[in-house]
Amino acid sequence: NAGVTQTPKFQVLKTGQSMTLQCAQDMNHNSMYWYRQDPGMGLRLIYYSASEGTTDKGEVPNGYNVSRLNKREFSLRLESAAPSQTSVYFCATRGGDATNEKLFFGSGTQLSVL
Amino acid sequence: RKEVEQDPGPFNVPEGATVAFNCTYSNSASQSFFWYRQDCRKEPKLLMSVYSSGNEDGRFTAQLNRASQYISLLIRDSKLSDSATYLCVVRENTDKLIFGTGTRLQVFP
Repeated sequence: NAGVTQTPKFQVLKTGQSMTLQCAQDMNHNSMYWYRQDPGMGLRLIYYSASEGTTDKGEVPNGYNVSRLNKREFSLRLESAAPSQTSVYFCATRGGDATNEKLFFGSGTQLSVL
Repeated sequence: RKEVEQDPGPFNVPEGATVAFNCTYSNSASQSFFWYRQDCRKEPKLLMSVYSSGNEDGRFTAQLNRASQYISLLIRDSKLSDSATYLCVVRENTDKLIFGTGTRLQVFP
């Protein structure tokens, strides 16, 4: 039972390169999220998905695309990376009911765009 | 204006002190509220959920004021191990979860 698996852990890109961050969960949760965290900024929501086949923009969606291929996987794509996208990225799922709701996080991806 | 706001701190307090953090949110239709703890930019971990009636878990007390749209976290008898960043989280609709900027706490001996 791996929980939330996020890959890669580290990545260095050149400006203009593209890449996809992968996130997979084995907890059968419907809701999945992508956040980025910059120093002093807390976590900012990029995109989220309420269920397979649906995605919605969060606070900072520009420059990103997402895909919810199935219930398990929610990927984040940078089509043309920019230095402003240097950040730590976290994938998360939401589980539980009204009394024990919580987020389950991946271990994060440290991305540097040169 | 950010949808969920916190005082970034840092709050520097001695061991044994009581410290309180506030968090304000802008969406009056928000449904659920949480406090998460984050150490050294690792993944955040749930500290406690916040219920309308307020709730307590050991040294930690969380309260919600829907009329004024803020939540609070009180930590009593601070320990060195409480040093971390405390993140306020608000679920605005069925699925949209927004984090505050975080409040950094440093407890010193």
